[in-house]
Amino acid sequence: GAGVSQSPRYKVAKRGQDVALRCDPISGHVSLFWYQQALGQGPEFLTYFQNEAQLDKSGLPSDRFFAERPEGSVSTLKIQRTQQEDSAVYLCASSAGTSGRASYNEQFFGPGTRLTVL
Amino acid sequence: GQNIDQPTEMTATEGAIVQINCTYQTSGFNGLFWYQQHAGEAPTFLSYNVLDGLEEKGRFSSFLSRSKGYSYLLLKELQMKDSASYLCAAQNSGYSTLTFGKGTMLLVSP
Repeated sequence: GAGVSQSPRYKVAKRGQDVALRCDPISGHVSLFWYQQALGQGPEFLTYFQNEAQLDKSGLPSDRFFAERPEGSVSTLKIQRTQQEDSAVYLCASSAGTSGRASYNEQFFGPGTRLTVL
Repeated sequence: GQNIDQPTEMTATEGAIVQINCTYQTSGFNGLFWYQQHAGEAPTFLSYNVLDGLEEKGRFSSFLSRSKGYSYLLLKELQMKDSASYLCAAQNSGYSTLTFGKGTMLLVSP
């Protein structure tokens, strides 16, 4: 597709349930980022992949959060034993390169998955 | 770490000019992004500044002063559709991750 896609767009989970959020980046993009955006706030960094390698996971709030990108394309963010504080929009972004020129640095965002934990 | 500050809300009139300021304190700074985000939608790219100075792109311009840790986004000839949240984001050196401010909600009135 032309842009970054995410699924599902909306997810309602009961507290304690596990969820999996999918991101399809722009084809050929090396870098993939996950962000968490609470209502009325800016996105907060969760984790970063360069191809299949997870190079930075410093933003993951707890060990209940896990992300993977096994073939360097599609990525999945998994949240185990969801809590109410996990309710947020989860944004995925991809960029063409890893550093250098602006054209490689621009991050293209997907529409996000709105997670509501009851 | 990074600390990004921008005003929470701004209002302006259709056809006017508005400047949204952003200050940042960083350890490891590569460049400064501005994104626009309409309610319920994904952020969309507006501008990217690496060097000091003004970058102009149509009705939108962005300025960066690295020595002052300061940027602004200038919107000219405001239109109703410009009502949105404007996100300032500092790009970290290394893996190019972004640290976002909380966003400035701009309301354009007739």
